[in-house]
Amino acid sequence: AQKVTQAQTEISVVEKEDVTLDCVYETRDTTYYLFWYKQPPSGELVFLIRRNSFDEQNEISGRYSWNFQKSTSSFNFTITASQVVDSAVYFCALSERIGNQFYFGTGTSLTVIP
Amino acid sequence: NAGVMQNPRHLVRRRGQEARLRCSPMKGHSHVYWYRQLPEEGLKFMVYLQKENIIDESGMPKERFSAEFPKEGPSILRIQQVVRGDSAAYFCASSPIGQGGAGANVLTFGAGSRLTVL
Repeated sequence: AQKVTQAQTEISVVEKEDVTLDCVYETRDTTYYLFWYKQPPSGELVFLIRRNSFDEQNEISGRYSWNFQKSTSSFNFTITASQVVDSAVYFCALSERIGNQFYFGTGTSLTVIP
Repeated sequence: NAGVMQNPRHLVRRRGQEARLRCSPMKGHSHVYWYRQLPEEGLKFMVYLQKENIIDESGMPKERFSAEFPKEGPSILRIQQVVRGDSAAYFCASSPIGQGGAGANVLTFGAGSRLTVL
């Protein structure tokens, strides 16, 4: 069973619009970690945030914010006032207390149109 | 502070040849992970290594693939007798020793090695 689902394959927005990227996860572990990574056109993966399962506080970092809802098993990512430099593929990932791997979603390709 | 260094960035091989991908972890990191990204897909775990030890190779194909992380030098992912289906981006990541198991650590990824098999 897929552990991380990113249902949005591609999203296009016009610059300065807000955009939310959805992430739904599945785990039986009570201790787990959620991540977002950005993959710009150059190809490397850039770490954005880690959230553990005991911390449901939403987080804001500049134009980025994250909404963690355990009740719906979701960890959504919002970019406010999007910019062209935000164009990238964004991956949500899950790791569990037991185990050594990250489970990645299939990614959401975001295009910000100037 | 150099990040995770992978080379080569691009590698072209013909079917049946061998591919060797190298990864130097971030300074101070002792854990190395390899992931594979197929076109239009997310990253899939392959193997987790510490110096001179393979900790978890549950994601490695049973044949033709091997990985090592020697006491000195970079980690190597080796693919023997490559086939077209091996064409993918191979990412290495590293993490420091941390608490709570491997899953608790933030992975720092390299830029990837893109293998094309003709």
